Amino acid sequence: ILNVEQSPQSLHVQEGDSTNFTCSFPSSNFYALHWYRWETAKSPEALFVMTLNGDEKKKGRISATLNTKEGYSYLYIKGSQPEDSATYLCAHNSGNTGKLIFGQGTTLQVKP
Amino acid sequence: EPEVTQTPSHQVTQMGQEVILRCVPISNHLYFYWYRQILGQKVEFLVSFYNNEISEKSEIFDDQFSVERPDGSNFTLKIRSTKLEDSAMYFCASSGQTYNEQFFGPGTRLTVL
Repeated sequence: ILNVEQSPQSLHVQEGDSTNFTCSFPSSNFYALHWYRWETAKSPEALFVMTLNGDEKKKGRISATLNTKEGYSYLYIKGSQPEDSATYLCAHNSGNTGKLIFGQGTTLQVKP
Repeated sequence: EPEVTQTPSHQVTQMGQEVILRCVPISNHLYFYWYRQILGQKVEFLVSFYNNEISEKSEIFDDQFSVERPDGSNFTLKIRSTKLEDSAMYFCASSGQTYNEQFFGPGTRLTVL
């Protein structure tokens, strides 16, 4: 994998459903993997920065896992709420300057 | 809570004109970045800046682009002669360490006519 790829591109769920998204990234020259939450007309908001293989991070109902050997990360949302509706971006640090390479995002729509 | 700010929120310009996009990063941050997103495409890296010099730039960041930190608080992106394909949302970001989370501003939407 040369680029950062996210799936699915979009997701529609009902309030209360749990959901997960995938981010695939190059496993060589890995420095860090970032997850961002981006609501329309707002700044992308950092959710997690993950650096170690096997890392698991949690913030409220949102959690993420990291596998640097195979080059993927999962983001989980438990019991989705309408306010979780946003685009979720993952980004990979590919060098020692902090440069982020972004995936195309997964847009989540949670229906009440 | 400290935040990154950007001005203007929307800039409309004629092809060939110079534009300057302004950013005020978080005050104790040392690393500064510009990214852009052309409508329907991925967010793409333009340039990183540390210790008053460019640390990395992408292929997009050609001689028409420049960055400056003129006064210790502002961080600017200048496009000398805009092209139609420069139309995009431009984001500034800053961080305290290289691999720490980057804090993004709300973006400047640049429209080149």
